[in-house]
Amino acid sequence: DAKTTQPNSMESNEEEPVHLPCNHSTISGTDYIHWYRQLPSQGPEYVIHGLTSNVNNRMASLAIAEDRKSSTLILHRATLRDAAVYYCILRAVARGEGMRFGAGTRLTVKP
Amino acid sequence: DGGITQSPKYLFRKEGQNVTLSCEQNLNHDAMYWYRQDPGQGLRLIYYSQIVNDFQKGDIAEGYSVSREKKESFPLTVTSAQKNPTAFYLCASSIPGFDNYGYTFGSGTRLTVV
Repeated sequence: DAKTTQPNSMESNEEEPVHLPCNHSTISGTDYIHWYRQLPSQGPEYVIHGLTSNVNNRMASLAIAEDRKSSTLILHRATLRDAAVYYCILRAVARGEGMRFGAGTRLTVKP
Repeated sequence: DGGITQSPKYLFRKEGQNVTLSCEQNLNHDAMYWYRQDPGQGLRLIYYSQIVNDFQKGDIAEGYSVSREKKESFPLTVTSAQKNPTAFYLCASSIPGFDNYGYTFGSGTRLTVV
């Protein structure tokens, strides 16, 4: 899987939007962009994924740059329960291998 | 509800003993995965299996073994050859070959070797 780069940590205030960036300059045309988050002492949880177009679901939005070399996970109104480590991962189509996780971004939400 | 069950949640073993971690899923997923996580680190892939009776080494397979005799089950054995076995172990499942499909993770087993 191609490499991604994320900031080690970010802070946000409760009820404010959060933009979590991810750089993936070596992305190939068939790589999907996946986001997962991991709350303390739990397994990761799927958040959202996309290929080229921006995506929205009940948890978050994913904004993908036109050249696909970067993406941003958007939490529209951060809550204390959104404090977690967020992982941005590229998945090659139909490779079948396990996903490789980087260190992710640790999001702290302040009340 | 469908999901992945890992048991036990906490496990203590003496150094030199083998220990087997359980992972069961009722999602009808063909692919299953084992990851290890050390404090403050991301997940590292130990083994994965895309179909029953077949499995592949991940990035840190040394000192671990797996079996995949049933679709629902993918147990991981931490052997005495694993030098630093104390860690948080996570199991996941998915549909192989569909990379626009997410993984489902279990809640993990925290193994402490004393």
